[in-house]
Amino acid sequence: NAGVTQTPKFQVLKTGQSMTLQCAQDMNHNSMYWYRQDPGMGLRLIYYSASEGTTDKGEVPNGYNVSRLNKREFSLRLESAAPSQTSVYFCASSASGQAVVAKNIQYFGAGTRLSVL
Amino acid sequence: QKEVEQDPGPLSVPEGAIVSLNCTYSNSAFQYFMWYRQYSRKGPELLMYTYSSGNKEDGRFTAQVDKSSKYISLFIRDSQPSDSATYLCAMTYSSGGYQKVTFGIGTKLQVIP
Repeated sequence: NAGVTQTPKFQVLKTGQSMTLQCAQDMNHNSMYWYRQDPGMGLRLIYYSASEGTTDKGEVPNGYNVSRLNKREFSLRLESAAPSQTSVYFCASSASGQAVVAKNIQYFGAGTRLSVL
Repeated sequence: QKEVEQDPGPLSVPEGAIVSLNCTYSNSAFQYFMWYRQYSRKGPELLMYTYSSGNKEDGRFTAQVDKSSKYISLFIRDSQPSDSATYLCAMTYSSGGYQKVTFGIGTKLQVIP
């Protein structure tokens, strides 16, 4: 049971470089999310996708773009990395439908540690 | 003022102690309350889930919700070194067909053998 898989696990970028963080889930979930986690700030939502074909901004979307490639995959792109984007990035997914409990529980990947120099 | 306030700790206790972790919130719209556990260099994983005010017990863990005071707690009995982790509270409500979730910043717990 893979759950939510993120790649890469670690990345070091220079300021101005671009990269894409990949996320895939095998739980047939409709909703997917990208968070960043910083010391003293907790988890902050960057973008989310309530269902295949839709994406919406979260709390801190500036400097990021996302693509919901299909139901399984949701990628996060940094077009021109900045030192302020040094963080740990988590992808998560949740079910949808009528089951309230299922909608509220998010399953997280192991994270991508990104350093921008 | 943040919607969800959580003391970041760190909290250090001896093995076997009872641990109390707490969060307060300001948004009355929050309906569902969760506790996630995050081990070092791992993603958060769900530990407890509650909806109504009151207590919910699962083994050594008890989640408590007091909606009138906008206060939630997680109690760990007979704490073990394996409980050493960061504990994040999370709260959700429905907004436009989407479950909006807000996390606390997490409390780092260390259980000393």
